[in-house]
Amino acid sequence: EVQLVESGGGLVQPGRSMKLSCAASGFTFSNYGMAWVRQAPTKGLEWVATISYDGSSTYYRDSVKGRFTISRDNAKSTLYLQMNSLRSEDTATYYCTRQNPGGFAYWGQGTLVTVSS
Amino acid sequence: DIQMTQSPSFLSASVGDRVTINCKASQNINKYLNWYQQKLGEAPKRLIYNTNNLQTGIPSRFSGSGSGTDYTLTISSLQPEDFATYFCLQHNSFPDTFGAGTKLELK
Repeated sequence: EVQLVESGGGLVQPGRSMKLSCAASGFTFSNYGMAWVRQAPTKGLEWVATISYDGSSTYYRDSVKGRFTISRDNAKSTLYLQMNSLRSEDTATYYCTRQNPGGFAYWGQGTLVTVSS
Repeated sequence: DIQMTQSPSFLSASVGDRVTINCKASQNINKYLNWYQQKLGEAPKRLIYNTNNLQTGIPSRFSGSGSGTDYTLTISSLQPEDFATYFCLQHNSFPDTFGAGTKLELK
């Protein structure tokens, strides 16, 4: 069974940093691209970042470019999202998802990031 | 970015009803349209991918249709466990974009 378990969320002050992790199991992690998707309170979902299966390619939405870094450790089957210079508008539940040819196939339950002073 | 307009935002229905949820893309997405179900506190679950392909393990009362810019999710006979939020996703053009969601409530 595919499982994705996010961790690392919480309350953080504006301008500070936070690192999210996603532990994957139930599939060969190194075979799949992975992504982070977020959902602000009472808002819709938005894609944040994607990383290729081997980590050689990364992609970001414009609003997080230069502030967020997606990375992975295939030996540990873990996906990361390093978030710097956090803003109030980054407040959201962050989901880890597995990319398939048919789009985002599996999702974790999410971790809540609250950016507030 | 492709805009996905999902309707209705809220839908009130009874067990046994047939319901439809719609997503309209701002341009042709070539059937690269997925449907997801999300229950409170749970991970989103993919129901249908590429317009009309049922995810393994999803009941056959769920179906999808559409082409071009217009897509529909149909639940043929609502069951108690189907009351949830549904959203669409286009993955034809980078970046992938989502519909705003439809909250399906018990009448």
